[in-house]
Amino acid sequence: GAGVSQSPSNKVTEKGKDVELRCDPISGHTALYWYRQSLGQGLEFLIYFQGNSAPDKSGLPSDRFSAERTGGSVSTLTIQRTQQEDSAVYLCASSFGQGALEQYFGPGTRLTVT
Amino acid sequence: AQSVTQLGSHVSVSEGALVLLRCNYSSSVPPYLFWYVQYPNQGLQLLLKYTSAATLVKGINGFEAEFKKSETSFHLTKPSAHMSDAAEYFCAVRKNSGGYQKVTFGIGTKLQVIP
Repeated sequence: GAGVSQSPSNKVTEKGKDVELRCDPISGHTALYWYRQSLGQGLEFLIYFQGNSAPDKSGLPSDRFSAERTGGSVSTLTIQRTQQEDSAVYLCASSFGQGALEQYFGPGTRLTVT
Repeated sequence: AQSVTQLGSHVSVSEGALVLLRCNYSSSVPPYLFWYVQYPNQGLQLLLKYTSAATLVKGINGFEAEFKKSETSFHLTKPSAHMSDAAEYFCAVRKNSGGYQKVTFGIGTKLQVIP
């Protein structure tokens, strides 16, 4: 594909419901990142996948958040029992290997929890 | 801990005026430093990066940044602002942490260009 794609672009959900956010990285990129962008908070690192290595989950804010990456390509970020403070833009990025300097970002998913 | 500090969450300049967006970093080792730009409703796009090859780094759209070790700074500049430069700009630093290449972003600076 031409770039990193994310779906859905917008998601409105009720408090307490589970949501799944999807990221399709650039073909051939082995590294994949998830970030959360909240108003006035900049980008908050959530999780990082690199090839078949164990992911770096150190940024996940609570056990309600989880992510998986199937077949080294598509990734899904799942938020269980959503809370209003989970409202944010969730950005996915990929790069060509761990040593690559540039991350390519998707357009993000805007999550609103009502 | 490695981090970046962006001074000024909002900056306004007149069209044609100098753009200066400030970024200071803290790092115990020579860092990799980046500036990203985010246009409304889009993801981030790399403007430029510092990899220790040269202290003055030129990026896209006429932007450049200078790495100053003595000041631990990596400020972003453009001689003449254009209306299309209105966006949010993020400074970032990368280091190797526990075998992972972790990137830490600043809180961002929103640039407003006044006609």
